[in-house]
Amino acid sequence: DAGITQSPRHKVTETGTPVTLRCHQTENHRYMYWYRQDPGHGLRLIHYSYGVKDTDKGEVSDGYSVSRSKTEDFLLTLESATSSQTSVYFCATTGTSGYTFGSGTRLTVV
Amino acid sequence: DQQVKQNSPSLSVQEGRISILNCDYTNSMFDYFLWYKKYPAEGPTFLISISSIKDKNEDGRFTVFLNKSAKHLSLHIVPSQPGDSAVYFCAASRSGTYKYIFGTGTRLKVLA
Repeated sequence: DAGITQSPRHKVTETGTPVTLRCHQTENHRYMYWYRQDPGHGLRLIHYSYGVKDTDKGEVSDGYSVSRSKTEDFLLTLESATSSQTSVYFCATTGTSGYTFGSGTRLTVV
Repeated sequence: DQQVKQNSPSLSVQEGRISILNCDYTNSMFDYFLWYKKYPAEGPTFLISISSIKDKNEDGRFTVFLNKSAKHLSLHIVPSQPGDSAVYFCAASRSGTYKYIFGTGTRLKVLA
């Protein structure tokens, strides 16, 4: 277990407001990822990071930005939340056999 | 374009019988495959993996088969137990990319 903590676990926000989700890991893993899970779409990669200040886009990056100023923290920001960004967001790091995921953040945009 | 596909959204199986979950992929460059299990309100957890140099990997009740020519993998669970009821995702990766592409998931229900 990579010791991944996501915060908050649940959030309701209004359309047009900025939102930041936090992922914290205690295993000093280099790679970190943000995915969203939606019915009929499975898990889709939003952004990932391969080191401090090194990030890249995934499949569904529009409307999202990320930052990684420390190895242990990876932040996902919705610059101006929309209803289409209502989803469950999972953070992950790369372990020995694949990903280890956090418990998720359920975000509702109203 | 969905590079990893799980065409069965759901599957019901009697307890004690075999569960077979299928996954197809389109990118021939993928060379590492994994299965994850997800319970409600939890993050996905790693179940089993297979490298493209193998065609079978077994771990207890779970076996993954890979058919590279057909670009198809399957997960067999024998015997199925009610605690196996969950959503199962397959994922694929290409060496050196450190990114996994996931399928849409199959919801398995094991009936007692």
